[in-house]
Amino acid sequence: QQQVKQSPQSLIVQKGGIPIINCAYENTAFDYFPWYQQFPGKGPALLIAIRPDVSEKKEGRFTISFNKSAKQFSLHIMDSQPGDSATYFCAASHPTGGGNKLTFGTGTQLKVEL
Amino acid sequence: GAGVSQSPRYKVAKRGQDVALRCDPISGHVSLFWYQQALGQGPEFLTYFQNEAQLDKSGLPSDRFFAERPEGSVSTLKIQRTQQEDSAVYLCASSSLEGEQFFGPGTRLTVL
Repeated sequence: QQQVKQSPQSLIVQKGGIPIINCAYENTAFDYFPWYQQFPGKGPALLIAIRPDVSEKKEGRFTISFNKSAKQFSLHIMDSQPGDSATYFCAASHPTGGGNKLTFGTGTQLKVEL
Repeated sequence: GAGVSQSPRYKVAKRGQDVALRCDPISGHVSLFWYQQALGQGPEFLTYFQNEAQLDKSGLPSDRFFAERPEGSVSTLKIQRTQQEDSAVYLCASSSLEGEQFFGPGTRLTVL
């Protein structure tokens, strides 16, 4: 059972474009929604995260939009650069008393072309 | 003492062999997680430690998988009688209590 669904699987944009990656979740107990960036041979690194009490959060060129009623959230990357080419994962978690274990989406491979 | 470190980075095992994967978390981090990442997929939760206590092992796929963190710092994930389906990258993450999780580079396990 996939609790966090992510799309698209892959994405190619031109330099300066705004790639958008979408995620949908099922478990209404989720209260923390991070996005991770992963380069080949490296572990995931936190980019930006949001909690459901806000609808949007910006950090630098990265923006999360959150729609609680639709149980969806998305990542926008402004002015994308070739160095942004990586795999992006959305995730969700909720406190269980046993740590905030993360449930990840299946990932989006982003390629930013010159 | 930068980030989370894992060793070995690569491990090749013959089917049926036992393997042990090590994770050195960020100093002072109370929480430690293990995840399994199959090729082309997102990481999947295996188990969670708070200090030396294993509070959640719901993600361990079988009783061949065993994890420990005896002194509340370094952790070892052991896989007994490895099978081909165990081939994956094993990621360790650590955090302060309910803080951001910092991931290590992972150990890529290949079972032949």
